[in-house]
Amino acid sequence: GENVEQHPSTLSVQEGDSAVIKCTYSDSASNYFPWYKQELGKGPQLIIDIRSNVGEKKDQRIAVTLNKTAKHFSLHITETQPEDSAVYFCAASGPGGNEKLTFGTGTRLTIIP
Amino acid sequence: GAGVSQSPSNKVTEKGKDVELRCDPISGHTALYWYRQSLGQGLEFLIYFQGNSAPDKSGLPSDRFSAERTGGSVSTLTIQRTQQEDSAVYLCASSLAMAGMNTEAFFGQGTRLTVV
Repeated sequence: GENVEQHPSTLSVQEGDSAVIKCTYSDSASNYFPWYKQELGKGPQLIIDIRSNVGEKKDQRIAVTLNKTAKHFSLHITETQPEDSAVYFCAASGPGGNEKLTFGTGTRLTIIP
Repeated sequence: GAGVSQSPSNKVTEKGKDVELRCDPISGHTALYWYRQSLGQGLEFLIYFQGNSAPDKSGLPSDRFSAERTGGSVSTLTIQRTQQEDSAVYLCASSLAMAGMNTEAFFGQGTRLTVV
């Protein structure tokens, strides 16, 4: 089955700087890669996702890049703000019969004011 | 409309007792997931329901764990003879998964289970 690895497990950045979180996946058939943000006491919420037919996607301060050949994808947050502090999870899933989401182990991001 | 609803939000139970956790997915969502999250840890996959297909139970940690999804809607996760290591937050998610096309999974707030 799919295996997703995520790094780093913790990340601290100064407010205004950029943060990058990286994930690798094992199943070359995977074609959907969402990123979730989890705040304390809440369920994870989708912040951005990318499909395998696209190499990069942006939404304001958040971007995701995908390298299918290397089987890795990354989350980039620019101009970080205190409200970006949370735990971030990457995930991967595949087509027909393998749609279940497999999550990485999470990254605790702390923005230092 | 309403999001994914889980009940109870908190459950304290004595070791050895059975518990049932409920998930009401978003109406019309064909896919439903259960995950377990221990304190400060990641999301451990438990079980996945997709339409009328046989559920993927590969993540259930032992035969004390079981889940049902009645009528393609509400799901119940049952833990029999609870142990202290079962203490965790149990998260349910649903999505409008279509053949060959994955879509956003929406999570509930979770049920915090404490076994004493």
